[in-house]
Amino acid sequence: AQRVTQPEKLLSVFKGAPVELKCNYSYSGSPELFWYVQYSRQRLQLLLRHISRESIKGFTADLNKGETSFHLKKPFAQEEDSAMYYCALSGGGYSTLTFGKGTMLLVSP
Amino acid sequence: NAGVMQNPRHLVRRRGQEARLRCSPMKGHSHVYWYRQLPEEGLKFMVYLQKENIIDESGMPKERFSAEFPKEGPSILRIQQVVRGDSAAYFCASTEGRAYEQYFGPGTRLTVT
Repeated sequence: AQRVTQPEKLLSVFKGAPVELKCNYSYSGSPELFWYVQYSRQRLQLLLRHISRESIKGFTADLNKGETSFHLKKPFAQEEDSAMYYCALSGGGYSTLTFGKGTMLLVSP
Repeated sequence: NAGVMQNPRHLVRRRGQEARLRCSPMKGHSHVYWYRQLPEEGLKFMVYLQKENIIDESGMPKERFSAEFPKEGPSILRIQQVVRGDSAAYFCASTEGRAYEQYFGPGTRLTVT
């Protein structure tokens, strides 16, 4: 069975501080991992995927197969980063997505 | 392109009534996913449909829940004889094909009184 664990319900940091949102997964094959974000009063949207290895809005995430982790990082948090972040896993292709419970990131001035 | 539309946005039903939730995918998308989000929980996959076909319903409760995506018109998630435990936010998402490229709707918040 595939499972995604986000251990923190809430992460509160000050503006300019580094941020790391944790995500661990359980999957028997080769998963595709994603981060989705939901800003206040907006829809859930894809932030980044591990395959593309890109940085979006200053966020990066590296897939660590040894530790089965896909933590989301940003060196300097901004107030506009405050949102709900969901880690998700797919078996690839047309496979469905399994989401974690989400972490609320609050960035204070 | 208005994006994925869901209606109603809020739905209140008494126990025992039926709830019908509608999802209009983005133009050109023929794949629809339904998710349920209970309080304090993440999104849980319910069902994956293509036009006129149910591809994966492994996340659907066995009783009272059904879904369809007809050739014409929106996808419908139907909950019969609702109970308090059905109170949740229901999201749909659509894609041209690949699961991760899902575009999400704003959700329908169902409250069962």
